Amino acid sequence: ENVLTQSPAIMSASLGEKVTMSCRASSSVNYMYWYQQKSDASPKLWIYYTSNLAPGVPARFSGSGSGNSYSLTISSMEGEDAATYYCQQFTSSPYTFGGGTKLEIK
Amino acid sequence: DVQLQESGPGLVKPSQSLSLTCTVTGYSITSDYAWNWIRQFPGNKLEWMGYISYSGSTSYNPSLKSRISITRDTSKNQFFLQLNSVTTEDTATYYCATGLRRFAYWGQGTLVTVSA
Repeated sequence: ENVLTQSPAIMSASLGEKVTMSCRASSSVNYMYWYQQKSDASPKLWIYYTSNLAPGVPARFSGSGSGNSYSLTISSMEGEDAATYYCQQFTSSPYTFGGGTKLEIK
Repeated sequence: DVQLQESGPGLVKPSQSLSLTCTVTGYSITSDYAWNWIRQFPGNKLEWMGYISYSGSTSYNPSLKSRISITRDTSKNQFFLQLNSVTTEDTATYYCATGLRRFAYWGQGTLVTVSA
């Protein structure tokens, strides 16, 4: 199966700071998907087809990458962005998720 | 809008079967999409378990293939998960989810604990 490795596992950022988190796939994927999850809630689709923002996602978020290496960037951290972010691939079955990056406010 | 709601027992004994229902409103499960089961273990790891497509075909995670079955009742717009021979390792929050080549819609999740 295609193993997705996210880094860092935990990070903290100050309000207004730029944030970048990574997702590396053991085999090349066509697109990467990202989900945001807050405590006691279901994951929410955040970014699809690598760089498309889901409805309602603020424009300070962006996604990029290709092949084995993908990233999610927040241009200016806001308090509501504190959450865990998971990457996920549909290129090959079984569909797999990364282990998550927990983003905290510094 | 598509809405999904999981239901089922919150406690299952080891070696028994886990059975969950996902009730869908706002969209027919025979129109389009794949209708998925995903679980999240304590510690937050997410695992895709399998799906039943709008046409009724199924696909399962090979790690579960001998134990899992996903079926549906189109008259009730529901789909189901059955996981056999459960162990404590199957304790997790179980989600149903769907979307067009993405998990755009999720249920609220249901915690299933496997314990004697």
